[in-house]
Amino acid sequence: GDSVTQMEGPVTLSEEAFLTINCTYTATGYPSLFWYVQYPGEGLQLLLKATKADDKGSNKGFEATYRKETTSFHLEKGSVQVSDSAVYFCALTPRQAGTALIFGKGTTLSVSS
Amino acid sequence: GAVVSQHPSRVICKSGTSVKIECRSLDFQATTMFWYRQFPKQSLMLMATSNEGSKATYEQGVEKDKFLINHASLTLSTLTVTSAHPEDSSFYICSARGILPVNTEAFFGQGTRLTVV
Repeated sequence: GDSVTQMEGPVTLSEEAFLTINCTYTATGYPSLFWYVQYPGEGLQLLLKATKADDKGSNKGFEATYRKETTSFHLEKGSVQVSDSAVYFCALTPRQAGTALIFGKGTTLSVSS
Repeated sequence: GAVVSQHPSRVICKSGTSVKIECRSLDFQATTMFWYRQFPKQSLMLMATSNEGSKATYEQGVEKDKFLINHASLTLSTLTVTSAHPEDSSFYICSARGILPVNTEAFFGQGTRLTVV
């Protein structure tokens, strides 16, 4: 079945460092891909998305490119801030309409000043 | 993006009592809503899928008599934790998706921190 695999954390960085969180997927068809962010004690917020191959999603300095040839959707940011500390989830749309998104296990990012 | 409102954000209840959590889609019709449970430092665990006007579909291992789900309208789904016990303490999150287009993202509520004492 469809699945999402993302790198295990925690990822610990200093402020202004470069961030990469790897995400690969297995899916039939052409799913949309998402990155969600969860700040402590809160629900999930959509960070960015891409709906077809070679699309680049971007938001708040974060970027991810839908790579069909490598079935990847890695999250990157050139210069992280302390406020970026959160849990990041990669997700995809399942083939069946009306069913839940399929999530990776989440990667905790901790940024120190 | 669309807004999903979840209430309450925090609740403390005594063992044996029931707690109701509401999830509302504020600006779109959510034919399908999802309920998740999240343990500390862990990923989301899908509990059930709630379809408006029909019975919820529960994931394997989730007790349907303990976690009652009602989706009476296109904008409201409720999760009732019945006869709560301390092991039910957790963070519960609801989510909603529109049915079309197929590849729409999901929108999440703010979550409810349930503590059973």
